[in-house]
Amino acid sequence: EAGVVQSPRYKIIEKKQPVAFWCNPISGHNTLYWYRQNLGQGPELLIRYENEEAVDDSQLPKDRFSAERLKGVDSTLKIQPAELGDSAVYLCASSAGSEQYFGPGTRLTVT
Amino acid sequence: AQSVAQPEDQVNVAEGNPLTVKCTYSVSGNPYLFWYVQYPNRGLQFLLKYITGDNLVKGSYGFEAEFNKSQTSFHLKKPSALVSDSALYFCAVRGYYGGATNKLIFGTGTLLAVQP
Repeated sequence: EAGVVQSPRYKIIEKKQPVAFWCNPISGHNTLYWYRQNLGQGPELLIRYENEEAVDDSQLPKDRFSAERLKGVDSTLKIQPAELGDSAVYLCASSAGSEQYFGPGTRLTVT
Repeated sequence: AQSVAQPEDQVNVAEGNPLTVKCTYSVSGNPYLFWYVQYPNRGLQFLLKYITGDNLVKGSYGFEAEFNKSQTSFHLKKPSALVSDSALYFCAVRGYYGGATNKLIFGTGTLLAVQP
């Protein structure tokens, strides 16, 4: 069974530029999560989807971050414009039960 | 508010010796508790979980954890450490409120270093 797939794995951009991350969850997993992991910290939830509905986006900085999950499968997370403080690893996870399965993450560096 | 504390930034242990990685939590309601491991440049991998039942839960790679409600702890243990166990370990808690799920809160992580 394929795991959670994320792309790209690495991204370097200049501040004020836009960037997008893509996630393909494990087949059959209705719940999808986006996390941000800063260096030396644990992951922090940005948004959670149940199928195509965002049910918890309280931690998503809505002035510059947006996310979508069309058709309830793949998801994209976008930052526009990026700031220096957005440098982090962005993790996608999916679940069908209580445990979450994580992708390898996208390491974003904003210069 | 939910919170998780991992009091040790790093744990050093010699190969073959037992290891313990500590975790304490604070949550309203009955907790769901998890341990994840993260290898360099990899995503988090699920190790084990406690939801209900036996306080001692067994997981992947020979790891186990003991749920202690009175001490609000969920320490990760392994009887005999391997060099390949060296990684970053995260404890996480999720509150459960009568059918409604809640988000997963992670600790700051503990780096386990196993010396040969």
